[in-house]
Amino acid sequence: AQSVTQLGSHVSVSEGALVLLRCNYSSSVPPYLFWYVQYPNQGLQLLLKYTSAATLVKGINGFEAEFKKSETSFHLTKPSAHMSDAAEYFCAVSPYNQGGKLIFGQGTELSVKP
Amino acid sequence: KAGVTQTPRYLIKTRGQQVTLSCSPISGHRSVSWYQQTPGQGLQFLFEYFSETQRNKGNFPGRFSGRQFSNSRSEMNVSTLELGDSALYLCASSFSTDQTLTRFFGPGTRLTVL
Repeated sequence: AQSVTQLGSHVSVSEGALVLLRCNYSSSVPPYLFWYVQYPNQGLQLLLKYTSAATLVKGINGFEAEFKKSETSFHLTKPSAHMSDAAEYFCAVSPYNQGGKLIFGQGTELSVKP
Repeated sequence: KAGVTQTPRYLIKTRGQQVTLSCSPISGHRSVSWYQQTPGQGLQFLFEYFSETQRNKGNFPGRFSGRQFSNSRSEMNVSTLELGDSALYLCASSFSTDQTLTRFFGPGTRLTVL
C-alpha cells in the first residue's frame, strides 16, 4: 500500500532562512505526488505537484520540490522564508488506479520567526 | 470563477443525531471527494463521486454516506453521531477522476459533536 511520511511535525525557521520540509513516500509504482498548504480555518491549497514530467517542480509562492526516485523523497523547499509562509503543509500521494483519492502525510507546521 | 463552497461552515450536534453536509464544486467540475481531518488521524479519504456514482470509498463505517446530484453538487451524511466524529470535513473538486488533476478544496465544515 502506498503511504507518505513527513519528517518533523513542527519546523521553525527565521524570516529569510531556507525552508526545507521533508516528505518520503512508499510506492511500488511511479507515484503522483502533491504538496498542499493549509492556513488557519481554511481548506487546502495546492502548492505544486509531480506527475512524471520534470523531476524538479516549481510551484506557487516561490516553493519547489524535487522528486528523487532513488531516495523515495519529494522534499519541499523555499530559499527565503516569509512571515506569510507560516501554515501547515501536507505532502500527499495519489494511489495507483484509485481515481482522485489522496493519501496525506501527517502534516508539518511551519513557524517563521521575525 | 467561484471556488468550492461548503455549507454550513460550522455545526454543533449531539451524540446520536444525524447530520448532512453540502459541497458545491467549481463550475464544470464533475468529481467531488470528501475528507475528514482530525488532530489525531490527520486527513483521511472518505469517498469520491463522479457523475452521480461513487467511484471510491475509504475505510469508514457505513454511518458515513454520500451522494452526488446531476448538477455535481454533493452531500455527505453521518448518522448516529459519535463524539469521535468531531472533525473538519473537507470536500474537493476536479474535472474528473484523473489522478494527475489538481483537487481544489473548499474551506470545510467544522462539526462538533457533544
